Amino acid sequence: EAQVTQNPRYLITVTGKKLTVTCSQNMNHEYMSWYRQDPGLGLRQIYYSMNVEVTDKGDVPEGYKVSRKEKRNFPLILESPSPNQTSLYFCASSFYRTTSNEQYFGPGTRLTVT
Amino acid sequence: SQQGEEDPQALSIQEGENATMNCSYKTSINNLQWYRQNSGRGLVHLILIRSNEREKHSGRLRVTLDTSKKSSSLLITASRAADTASYFCATSNAGNNRKLIWGLGTSLAVNP
Repeated sequence: EAQVTQNPRYLITVTGKKLTVTCSQNMNHEYMSWYRQDPGLGLRQIYYSMNVEVTDKGDVPEGYKVSRKEKRNFPLILESPSPNQTSLYFCASSFYRTTSNEQYFGPGTRLTVT
Repeated sequence: SQQGEEDPQALSIQEGENATMNCSYKTSINNLQWYRQNSGRGLVHLILIRSNEREKHSGRLRVTLDTSKKSSSLLITASRAADTASYFCATSNAGNNRKLIWGLGTSLAVNP
């Protein structure tokens, strides 16, 4: 089954404790992206990757890191989480083509930083 | 950065009625996409319409695109309680086909 998986689905942590949210897709997509979703602010892109070893900042990259060592995986790293990073996080992937770039989303990771 | 603006922000209808949501955007696009999100879950792609298309159908969904007005509408016919969700439009802009610019969504409630 074609899918994007994220882990963990729920995470409560404390300020400053490094964490990683994993994302994996099995559709051989070149493009992967991380979003955060907050009430009233919609979906905001954190980082994206157009292919292996190619990553770039989105609209709200501060406080986050990513890596793309393999095509299928795109982990999101919070080196020192703060309460303002409490949010619902989504990973998404798509083909890197001009004709259609519909994105496939993971189920989301709800992060609470206390 | 947000480009799409959905209208209305919230919509409540009875089962069997039609639901219409609108999306306006600011810059030239390659395509416009609609997604659905059930509460707290991942977004699901519904339909994509390219800039050279004016109308597209998929099951009970009908999407129109007016590039002169920079607007799109999503019509859900014969709505069901299971259509209750938030609906988002996203534009893929000319010059950057992979980044999607998202609207804030329309929250649709279909009452049984």
